[in-house]
Amino acid sequence: EPEVTQTPSHQVTQMGQEVILRCVPISNHLYFYWYRQILGQKVEFLVSFYNNEISEKSEIFDDQFSVERPDGSNFTLKIRSTKLEDSAMYFCASSEAEYNEQFFGPGTRLTVL
Amino acid sequence: DQQVKQNSPSLSVQEGRISILNCDYTNSMFDYFLWYKKYPAEGPTFLISISSIKDKNEDGRFTVFLNKSAKHLSLHIVPSQPGDSAVYFCAAHGSSNTGKLIFGQGTTLQVKP
Repeated sequence: EPEVTQTPSHQVTQMGQEVILRCVPISNHLYFYWYRQILGQKVEFLVSFYNNEISEKSEIFDDQFSVERPDGSNFTLKIRSTKLEDSAMYFCASSEAEYNEQFFGPGTRLTVL
Repeated sequence: DQQVKQNSPSLSVQEGRISILNCDYTNSMFDYFLWYKKYPAEGPTFLISISSIKDKNEDGRFTVFLNKSAKHLSLHIVPSQPGDSAVYFCAAHGSSNTGKLIFGQGTTLQVKP
């Protein structure tokens, strides 16, 4: 069964460093998303991406964040200058259409020291 | 942002009995709702969804009920099995057409053998 994959599973970085989280969505899906979950809190929407552009972003998704689909398979989330409060699980998701169920990857645990 | 609320942080039921997980929402523009299950160290897994034009959707042991006037939905699991023990998230499609999901805080279900 096709699945969303994410790498790395765990990323540790120093505050102020740049990180890139990688995702491979399901191949025939057209809509891509990033969510995050800070420990003990709810899953929060960060950004949705369709047709090679951002379709919606949350307040959390400020200028330090960017997304890219550099080729036909990968979907990346870059945090330019990480802060302590960026420590969270980051989930990538994809769907066939905007009103279909979203399939989530296993997540990347980001720890900012 | 408390647009989707799951007021019970945890629920414990006996194997074979019914599990009922509840969810409330505040935005009457929401028109599509989903339930996800999450195991530790994994991403959310889609369970079942319901459109606002329906009041019930059933898939095997899982049934979702929607009461639009009360802005309330519930997930029924019958019969409950120990493997159902997980965190259950209710989610709603945001009012924009971008696929954004708004999640509740989650309810931890424990099914005792």
